[in-house]
Amino acid sequence: EAQVTQNPRYLITVTGKKLTVTCSQNMNHEYMSWYRQDPGLGLRQIYYSMNVEVTDKGDVPEGYKVSRKEKRNFPLILESPSPNQTSLYFCASSQRGPPSSEQYFGPGTRLTVT
Amino acid sequence: AQTVTQSQPEMSVQEAETVTLSCTYDTSESDYYLFWYKQPPSRQMILVIRQEAYKQQNATENRFSVNFQKAAKSFSLKISDSQLGDAAMYLCLAGGTSYGKLTFGQGTILTVHP
Repeated sequence: EAQVTQNPRYLITVTGKKLTVTCSQNMNHEYMSWYRQDPGLGLRQIYYSMNVEVTDKGDVPEGYKVSRKEKRNFPLILESPSPNQTSLYFCASSQRGPPSSEQYFGPGTRLTVT
Repeated sequence: AQTVTQSQPEMSVQEAETVTLSCTYDTSESDYYLFWYKQPPSRQMILVIRQEAYKQQNATENRFSVNFQKAAKSFSLKISDSQLGDAAMYLCLAGGTSYGKLTFGQGTILTVHP
């Protein structure tokens, strides 16, 4: 089944404790992206990757890191999480660079930083 | 830079009636795409409809259609014969073709009354 998977789905952590949210797609898609969703703000793009080893900042990259060493994986790294990073996070992928092709979204990761 | 604005945080409609959700955008890109996504309470992201900016004809998908006014930078979504299953958050999305940055609007929560 074609899908985008994220792990973990739920995470509660403390301020300053490094964490990684994994994202993997099995569709051989070139483009991958991370978003955060907060009430009243819609989804905001954190980072995106047009292909392996190519990443660029979205609108809200501060406090986040990403890497794209393999085509299928695009992990989101929070080196020192803070409470303002409490949010719902989505990973997405598309066959080629958007916006011409549809994005496929993962199920979301609910992160709480205390 | 690009911005997307959904000025209606909440809308409601009676079952079988028609409702229009508004979206305005601004982009420096000459070639771009616009999308509407549906997000039900499950948080799944579902593509509703897509519009290529270079096409003058408004996109239609069954009960969903758009009114694309390029000069006014407006991209509204019309839902005809509303059904209870249409209740969700609707998110407008814009993206230019020259790079991978995508911008969502703030979202509109649609309630459908029986």
